[in-house]
Amino acid sequence: AQSVAQPEDQVNVAEGNPLTVKCTYSVSGNPYLFWYVQYPNRGLQFLLKYITGDNLVKGSYGFEAEFNKSQTSFHLKKPSALVSDSALYFCAVRDGSGGATNKLIFGTGTLLAVQP
Amino acid sequence: NAGVTQTPKFQVLKTGQSMTLQCAQDMNHEYMSWYRQDPGMGLRLIHYSVGAGITDQGEVPNGYNVSRSTTEDFPLRLLSAAPSQTSVYFCASYRGPPNSPLHFGNGTRLTVT
Repeated sequence: AQSVAQPEDQVNVAEGNPLTVKCTYSVSGNPYLFWYVQYPNRGLQFLLKYITGDNLVKGSYGFEAEFNKSQTSFHLKKPSALVSDSALYFCAVRDGSGGATNKLIFGTGTLLAVQP
Repeated sequence: NAGVTQTPKFQVLKTGQSMTLQCAQDMNHEYMSWYRQDPGMGLRLIHYSVGAGITDQGEVPNGYNVSRSTTEDFPLRLLSAAPSQTSVYFCASYRGPPNSPLHFGNGTRLTVT
């Protein structure tokens, strides 16, 4: 069965500093990987997705994600954090094999707090 | 261009009551799903559907029923509400291929007393 782990409940970073939010995954087939962001009292917004063959994927609001097949990781990064980036971030995976192709499984989320 | 619409936004139930959370999408998406969000648990998949007339269980299906009579609608039914079902519920949909993202509704906050 597919699974996603986000090892950090919260990440604190100063404005202007680089940020990383970690995600590791487990699937049987090819992974389809996504990052979503949730602002308070809102639904989830799509940030970016893994594209086969691209180890560094760029997404919305200056975010990017680094895919590492050997470490089964898909870490979210941003070179310079903004206070407005403070939100809850979710990593998600869809298993590309058999009947599990459609199910998207989410991690437990990481709260990003950017201090001014 | 409404996307995924969920109603109601808020609901309070007493233990044992039943209710239906509504979800509709106007994007002709084949796949629809229901998640619940609880602190520290992330989003957990309750039920999903890959097309009209086809539904399947997710990670936490107990206490919930679904049906999919049309492509547009995917209601979630709580037959006998329990306090453990207090949560925020999200409906989401997408249309293939597998690297397509889910589109989410704005959620329903349910409290069971």
